[in-house]
Amino acid sequence: AQSVTQLGSHVSVSEGALVLLRCNYSSSVPPYLFWYVQYPNQGLQLLLKYTTGATLVKGINGFEAEFKKSETSVHLTKPSAHMSDAAEYFCAARSYNTDKLIFGTGTRLQVFP
Amino acid sequence: DSGVTQTPKHLITATGQRVTLRCSPRSGDLSVYWYQQSLDQGLQFLIQYYNGEERAKGNILERFSAQQFPDLHSELNLSSLELGDSALYFCASSAQGAEAFFGQGTRLTVV
Repeated sequence: AQSVTQLGSHVSVSEGALVLLRCNYSSSVPPYLFWYVQYPNQGLQLLLKYTTGATLVKGINGFEAEFKKSETSVHLTKPSAHMSDAAEYFCAARSYNTDKLIFGTGTRLQVFP
Repeated sequence: DSGVTQTPKHLITATGQRVTLRCSPRSGDLSVYWYQQSLDQGLQFLIQYYNGEERAKGNILERFSAQQFPDLHSELNLSSLELGDSALYFCASSAQGAEAFFGQGTRLTVV
């Protein structure tokens, strides 16, 4: 069965530091992959999506994700963290066959001044 | 604004009661998903409908049921409510194979 694993339930960085949030998927065929962000008391907002083609995908708010098929990973990065990036981030995968959308357990990002 | 509308935004009810949560998907989206988010369980997939038919089932309790109507709006029915059912319930919609767009959620408090 398809699954999504996010490594690290909490990540803390200083403002201006690199942000790296890790996500691995398990699927013999690379699924559609997504990153979502959730701010307090709000719904999930799409950050970026990976379908096919380019291995580096740019999203909103300066985030980007690199897809590595050999590692079955799609880690999310941002070169320089901003205080406003503090939120919970979810990785998600959808298989081509079932269309089922599965989320990881989320990573809470804290940004310190 | 994602285009997905959920009502009500907040709901407070007593244990043992039944409630209905409503979701209007984005125009043209045939898939509707329901998720439950609580502090201890995270974001849990409940159920997915596609064009009126149930497509996938997740960790949905037997006390919960859902349906998608011909106009594509969906309802999630929660019955015999328990304190542990207090959570945020999200609806999302998508076109096939595309990204899902989420509503703002319904916060259910069972007292």
